[in-house]
Amino acid sequence: EPEVTQTPSHQVTQMGQEVILRCVPISNHLYFYWYRQILGQKVEFLVSFYNNEISEKSEIFDDQFSVERPDGSNFTLKIRSTKLEDSAMYFCASSRLGNEKLFFGSGTQLSVL
Amino acid sequence: AQSVAQPEDQVNVAEGNPLTVKCTYSVSGNPYLFWYVQYPNRGLQFLLKYITGDNLVKGSYGFEAEFNKSQTSFHLKKPSALVSDSALYFCAVRGRLTGGGNKLTFGTGTQLKVEL
Repeated sequence: EPEVTQTPSHQVTQMGQEVILRCVPISNHLYFYWYRQILGQKVEFLVSFYNNEISEKSEIFDDQFSVERPDGSNFTLKIRSTKLEDSAMYFCASSRLGNEKLFFGSGTQLSVL
Repeated sequence: AQSVAQPEDQVNVAEGNPLTVKCTYSVSGNPYLFWYVQYPNRGLQFLLKYITGDNLVKGSYGFEAEFNKSQTSFHLKKPSALVSDSALYFCAVRGRLTGGGNKLTFGTGTQLKVEL
């Protein structure tokens, strides 16, 4: 079965630093998403992306966050100035159509020190 | 706003016994409903979905779920649990009226523990 791949699997950064989390969605999928899961808490929606633009974002996704699909295969999440509370597992997901199941990557564990 | 409630943090069941993991939802209009499973250090894996049609939905690994519109529930079930079913289970909902965003809202998750 095709997979969503995420790199790196673990990222450690200092508070205030910029991080870029990378994802390669499934090739024929049209919708892309970022979710995050703080340890012990529920999976939270961050942003959805369709047709090269953000289609929906949550309150969490403030000006410190941005997404990009730079080359038609990668889908990145950038956090400009990380905060301690950004420490979480970040999941990328994709779907072929809007009402279909999401395929999730294995996640990037971000630790902000 | 759409929301999901999973009232049980943990469900314990003996292998071979039936299991139920509960989920209720709130959404405008008719929902799309999903169950995902998460094994340790892994991403979420799709189990099953309800879009329309038969209220009883069958999914992967012998799991099924029943959509009950009047009770706004979508409980996950399996007739005979296996130790390998032990994992974290998430219910999720998407409304049909959310436009192009397709945001899934997840519940807090239920830890299923199946013991010998």
